[in-house]
Amino acid sequence: NAGVMQNPRHLVRRRGQEARLRCSPMKGHSHVYWYRQLPEEGLKFMVYLQKENIIDESGMPKERFSAEFPKEGPSILRIQQVVRGDSAAYFCASSPYGTGDTTGELFFGEGSRLTVL
Amino acid sequence: DQQVKQNSPSLSVQEGRISILNCDYTNSMFDYFLWYKKYPAEGPTFLISISSIKDKNEDGRFTVFLNKSAKHLSLHIVPSQPGDSAVYFCAASEGSGGGADGLTFGKGTHLIIQP
Repeated sequence: NAGVMQNPRHLVRRRGQEARLRCSPMKGHSHVYWYRQLPEEGLKFMVYLQKENIIDESGMPKERFSAEFPKEGPSILRIQQVVRGDSAAYFCASSPYGTGDTTGELFFGEGSRLTVL
Repeated sequence: DQQVKQNSPSLSVQEGRISILNCDYTNSMFDYFLWYKKYPAEGPTFLISISSIKDKNEDGRFTVFLNKSAKHLSLHIVPSQPGDSAVYFCAASEGSGGGADGLTFGKGTHLIIQP
């Protein structure tokens, strides 16, 4: 499967625990985006990364959330000390292009659904 | 503040008829617009896009219209088919293509095609 791969598909955590969501972009894509979808809401941009660099994290909550995209391996979205309000679907998307791209198309994974008890 | 607005949470259309999904935006810097389709428990998939230099883009049964002066775009699906039942997200970006900084999405419209 050459698509964007996210795991786990479903994750249940208790308040105060840590959640780690992983995303492997499509082959050949070096640009990764994370979005969050709260119930009854649209997709909210969180962070945009290239390999080893955070390009734009303007949508990330200032505390408890972090993201990385190492030279080797998947991109990781990490949520520390989860609270019930973090329950959402987290979507990763990738793109072969960055600034100056004329298509704007992002390829999305199937999402990771986090439930905080 | 919702920069991209889809005011209809749901829309029901009879099979074979035209489906029209609407989207309004407030940011005049947006210059690239996309529609994504999403089935339950799946990620959004790209459907069609339009640049601000155009007012229409057509791809098979799908046509997107852009009215820049009104800051409004619409997606037309004709004829509507049962497989079109899904949530449709309108998205917009600033800059030439917008691949860099992420897309701003609306809340989505749930399209239901009735047989």
